Amino acid sequence: DTAVSQTPKYLVTQMGNDKSIKCEQNLGHDTMYWYKQDSKKFLKIMFSYNNKELIINETVPNRFSPKSPDKAHLNLHINSLELGDSAVYFCASSRGLAGVETQYFGPGTRLLVL
Amino acid sequence: AQTVTQSQPEMSVQEAETVTLSCTYDTSESDYYLFWYKQPPSRQMILVIRQEAYKQQNATENRFSVNFQKAAKSFSLKISDSQLGDAAMYFCAYRSLRGGGSNYKLTFGKGTLLTVNP
Repeated sequence: DTAVSQTPKYLVTQMGNDKSIKCEQNLGHDTMYWYKQDSKKFLKIMFSYNNKELIINETVPNRFSPKSPDKAHLNLHINSLELGDSAVYFCASSRGLAGVETQYFGPGTRLLVL
Repeated sequence: AQTVTQSQPEMSVQEAETVTLSCTYDTSESDYYLFWYKQPPSRQMILVIRQEAYKQQNATENRFSVNFQKAAKSFSLKISDSQLGDAAMYFCAYRSLRGGGSNYKLTFGKGTLLTVNP
């Protein structure tokens, strides 16, 4: 029983392409997140949705667009991919926003832009 | 803005021994949450332990315990009886108690790579 799943696990693509990463959680959580982990392992928040509403939008290029069709899904679409987008992207979810809500992470998607 | 610092990029420990990973943070808030996450080679991020700042008692989870020093803004992780499966990157993280926008995010340190020697 995978709690937070991401597809694909690996993505190799050329510069300039458009790609999407999908995330699904079966925990019944209201809040979902996207984090980026760079080559030095540094993890940084990108976006967060609560009940399909965008609540966190850090300084991220416009080429990145999250989409939440329902509470269980948060997809990340990236336009015009650049070399610097190569990283591991993690999806996470939490029951809600308030309190010490633990964030549960997906397995990550390793994106390599050539 | 809050910052989290892990001053040890790498640590090693002998199997069955104890190791302590350090974490300090900077915040002007009085109430917040602190977490330790583990990332093994599989890349999966796994919660190890969490601490509410308003609780004076240090959190423990089996072989894992924290030393939370609020005045010093320090949150170290102690792993007792280290096992080979503990080998991983460990991340300290901070989350604000206050609601609103970016306050809900986790702010991570840069991680400490722990090696466990047999």
